[in-house]
Amino acid sequence: DQQVKQNSPSLSVQEGRISILNCDYTNSMFDYFLWYKKYPAEGPTFLISISSIKDKNEDGRFTVFLNKSAKHLSLHIVPSQPGDSAVYFCAATAGGGGGYQKVTFGTGTKLQVIP
Amino acid sequence: DAGVTQSPTHLIKTRGQQVTLRCSPKSGHDTVSWYQQALGQGPQFIFQYYEEEERQRGNFPDRFSGHQFPNYSSELNVNALLLGDSALYLCASSLAGVWLAGGSSYNEQFFGPGTRLTVL
Repeated sequence: DQQVKQNSPSLSVQEGRISILNCDYTNSMFDYFLWYKKYPAEGPTFLISISSIKDKNEDGRFTVFLNKSAKHLSLHIVPSQPGDSAVYFCAATAGGGGGYQKVTFGTGTKLQVIP
Repeated sequence: DAGVTQSPTHLIKTRGQQVTLRCSPKSGHDTVSWYQQALGQGPQFIFQYYEEEERQRGNFPDRFSGHQFPNYSSELNVNALLLGDSALYLCASSLAGVWLAGGSSYNEQFFGPGTRLTVL
């Protein structure tokens, strides 16, 4: 059962344009959402997160939007740069008892930014 | 700060064998989580260790076991290897104090580069 879904396996965007990566989730218990970026031969790197009590979080060129009623979140990258080319994972976690964190990842979207 | 380190980088085993993967957390971190990433998939949570105990477990069989040492480093053991165990195994470390203190609901996990396991 894929609780976090990224339906677009790949995305190509011209440098300077906006990249929009989408993610859907099914588990209503998720209360924190994250985006990770992964380069080849490296582990995922945390990019940006959003709590379920918010609908937007911004960090420089990166903005994450959360639509709880639709169980949908998106990552916007503006402007896109060639160095942004990587696999982006959407992930989610539910606080749970004791606060121990089990992070559920999506399958990833490979972003290619074309110079 | 070396960050999260994992060893070995690559490993080839045959079906039925046993394997041990190792992880050293980022300096100052006390919690270690292990993930399995199959080709074309996202990382799947295996389990998490804090204070040398398994605190949470994902949907993995008992063939997958782990250990955390007093210095917070950790091992992942897989017995009776199957072809389907071929994957990238990722270790992530974090600081429990953030969520134990009732603060942020998420404590950022820092990932290592992973160990690529191939089962023939």
